[in-house]
Amino acid sequence: SQQGEEDPQALSIQEGENATMNCSYKTSINNLQWYRQNSGRGLVHLILIRSNEREKHSGRLRVTLDTSKKSSSLLITASRAADTASYFCATVDQGAQKLVFGQGTRLTINP
Amino acid sequence: KAGVTQTPRYLIKTRGQQVTLSCSPISGHRSVSWYQQTPGQGLQFLFEYFSETQRNKGNFPGRFSGRQFSNSRSEMNVSTLELGDSALYLCASSLEWGSPLHFGNGTRLTVT
Repeated sequence: SQQGEEDPQALSIQEGENATMNCSYKTSINNLQWYRQNSGRGLVHLILIRSNEREKHSGRLRVTLDTSKKSSSLLITASRAADTASYFCATVDQGAQKLVFGQGTRLTINP
Repeated sequence: KAGVTQTPRYLIKTRGQQVTLSCSPISGHRSVSWYQQTPGQGLQFLFEYFSETQRNKGNFPGRFSGRQFSNSRSEMNVSTLELGDSALYLCASSLEWGSPLHFGNGTRLTVT
């Protein structure tokens, strides 16, 4: 079963708008990571946030982590057509020592 | 640095056959993980190898196996293929457990 659950499952917005995706997880974690996957390709690591961090930025990306609610969000600002992809959160499970992925959010940026 | 390389890119097999997939990690990465991706189940963890030892294994039947060589290259094998094994198989390497994964572009396996 999946550790992380992304919400929404699909999101369609206009170019230039901001996109927000959420991720919830169930167990204690060491860190949480976000990945992007273009259709039929491998995943690309975007950003890692540790369990003792609350917010992290990387370019147009902003990630927040709330360990009390076991949730994280990924914000993409000023979206571009090239941001069209699936986005996955992944948690490093302290107990199982493996990276477990959510089901992903399919993001479509309309020109 | 060259990225993670997976071969072959596409594979078509029939039920009952076996298949071997190959993965060359980024130079210097000793951890190699394998994932199965399907539309219904999403990304499922298969196993992870570090310095030729399997450190973790997912909930897959024994038909799924793997190994890692001394140069960190890894192979996974699926025996007695079933239709449900049709999937994108992704390999990823990393410096150590918990650090970001670097994925290859996967092997698309179709079982007919």
